[in-house]
Amino acid sequence: KNQVEQSPQSLIILEGKNCTLQCNYTVSPFSNLRWYKQDTGRGPVSLTIMTFSENTKSNGRYTATLDADTKQSSLHITASQLSDSASYICVVSEGGTASKLTFGTGTRLQVTL
Amino acid sequence: NAGVTQTPKFRILKIGQSMTLQCTQDMNHNYMYWYRQDPGMGLKLIYYSVGAGITDKGEVPNGYNVSRSTTEDFPLRLELAAPSQTSVYFCASSPISTGELFFGEGSRLTVL
Repeated sequence: KNQVEQSPQSLIILEGKNCTLQCNYTVSPFSNLRWYKQDTGRGPVSLTIMTFSENTKSNGRYTATLDADTKQSSLHITASQLSDSASYICVVSEGGTASKLTFGTGTRLQVTL
Repeated sequence: NAGVTQTPKFRILKIGQSMTLQCTQDMNHNYMYWYRQDPGMGLKLIYYSVGAGITDKGEVPNGYNVSRSTTEDFPLRLELAAPSQTSVYFCASSPISTGELFFGEGSRLTVL
């Protein structure tokens, strides 16, 4: 069964600090991996989409990495801000279509003063 | 830019009642999806559509129905509501099958 596991489940960091969120997956065949940010009470918003050939992809202070061999991805947040407080969801696509997406349960990040 | 609009945002239903969650997108996307999000679980696909007049079941379709008469609208119908349908429902659209998903703000449904 296709699975996406995220760690940690939750994380609290001080404003200005960096953090890294992890995603391990067993989805096969692999097409792409996505990271979404979901603010409390809002819909998910796309941060990055990475294909098999992409190792690193940045979006402002967010940098995602992908190791397709070990089936691992990470999302690194640099110089965190209070507005980064949200859930971060890792999503893996099987076969390319959005009807074949497997969602992780997310990492809840809280950035404090 | 409205993007994907869902109504209502909140609704309480009694067991056995029926209702329709509305979803409209103004980006001319062919692909539209309905997901449910339960606490501690990843989003689960209920139904999806690849264009007007075409719909298909996702992972958890039981108890739901959809229609797609226009490119813009993709309503989700709940028949005979059950407590197990208490959840947050998200509508999403995508320009292509492999593309980025654009989500609505969600509809929180409670069945008592």
